[in-house]
Amino acid sequence: DAKTTQPNSMESNEEEPVHLPCNHSTISGTDYIHWYRQLPSQGPEYVIHGLTSNVNNRMASLAIAEDRKSSTLILHRATLRDAAVYYCILRDVGGAGSYQLTFGKGTKLSVIP
Amino acid sequence: GAGVSQSPSNKVTEKGKDVELRCDPISGHTALYWYRQRLGQGLEFLIYFQGNSAPDKSGLPSDRFSAERTGESVSTLTIQRTQQEDSAVYLCASSRGLVNTGELFFGEGSRLTVL
Repeated sequence: DAKTTQPNSMESNEEEPVHLPCNHSTISGTDYIHWYRQLPSQGPEYVIHGLTSNVNNRMASLAIAEDRKSSTLILHRATLRDAAVYYCILRDVGGAGSYQLTFGKGTKLSVIP
Repeated sequence: GAGVSQSPSNKVTEKGKDVELRCDPISGHTALYWYRQRLGQGLEFLIYFQGNSAPDKSGLPSDRFSAERTGESVSTLTIQRTQQEDSAVYLCASSRGLVNTGELFFGEGSRLTVL
């Protein structure tokens, strides 16, 4: 399974942009890059995903390196509500053709008022 | 409701007892997943359903764990003869189907404490 590497923790000031890095040097050509986040005492929630091109949605932007061996989740203006654990995940297709997401430990983002 | 619903939200049980955890997925979602999250840890995949079938049971930690799904809807995760190491939050998620780029919607989890 292709794995991801993220910093254990990061800090950001409120209303500043945040760049959350993820390394995935063993990514395969058909692996999608997904980001989820988990707020305290809640289940994870989808943030964004992409394959090769940069992606934008209402929550964040995803910048994918040209060689696809790394990506960066960009929160344009951090708010206190963005304090969460952010997971960078590669799609993992099991032998039976199932679709599951394999979560690592993620990056714990703290937002300072 | 509009989201994934799990019950009970909290369960305290004694070692050796059996427990059942329930998940109601979003209506129309054919894929359903169970994950486990121990305190301070990441999510551990347990099992996946496509419809009522579970093509991937590789994540179930032991034969004390089983899961079923009926009517392409409700799923039940059963843990027999619970052990203290089973204490965790059990999370259920659903998605529209076998869409490899699809979004998973998670419930808020069932917190299990085994004394």
